[in-house]
Amino acid sequence: NAGVTQTPKFRVLKTGQSMTLLCAQDMNHEYMYWYRQDPGMGLRLIHYSVGEGTTAKGEVPDGYNVSRLKKQNFLLGLESAAPSQTSVYFCASSYRHEQFFGPGTRLTVL
Amino acid sequence: GNSVTQMEGPVTLSEEAFLTINCTYTATGYPSLFWYVQYPGEGLQLLLKATKADDKGSNKGFEATYRKETTSFHLEKGSVQVSDSAVYFCAYDDYKLSFGAGTTVTVRA
Repeated sequence: NAGVTQTPKFRVLKTGQSMTLLCAQDMNHEYMYWYRQDPGMGLRLIHYSVGEGTTAKGEVPDGYNVSRLKKQNFLLGLESAAPSQTSVYFCASSYRHEQFFGPGTRLTVL
Repeated sequence: GNSVTQMEGPVTLSEEAFLTINCTYTATGYPSLFWYVQYPGEGLQLLLKATKADDKGSNKGFEATYRKETTSFHLEKGSVQVSDSAVYFCAYDDYKLSFGAGTTVTVRA
């Protein structure tokens, strides 16, 4: 089992560019999440999904969109990147209250 | 609203020292409580959990007890090692996980 994987690992964008972060899990989990991690702020939930075809907003959804077309994949999109979106992004899936995290994507927006 | 507050870091210790990281929560009801650990360059992983009052979670020599009366879930380890250097996050779960800000722990040989 690969667990939770994320691509890419690193990315540098210019302000206004768009990109999609991909998260994949092979554990057949229903719930999936996208977080951002910023120094001194812990992890903040961006969006989450309770199953294929469903998504919901978390604490900090502005500037991001998500899609869950297949159960194993959860995509996070930035339509027009801003410097405030420079962060480390983590995807997670969960089963019975335990969350399993991917290794993260470090995004820098110049 | 619901929240979790944990001790600010960074914390620097010598090997074999005793480690405590405080965590308190405010919540309606009785959420499950967790400690997650993040080693350098990695994602978070579950360290231990407790799902009801007076439960004690333990793993890798770490322990934490769910104290309803003090709304706390403090993390402790009696003798730390260099390999315990990491960022530790307290979290609670109502319908989703909410994390504290994290405490960076550095253990020196």
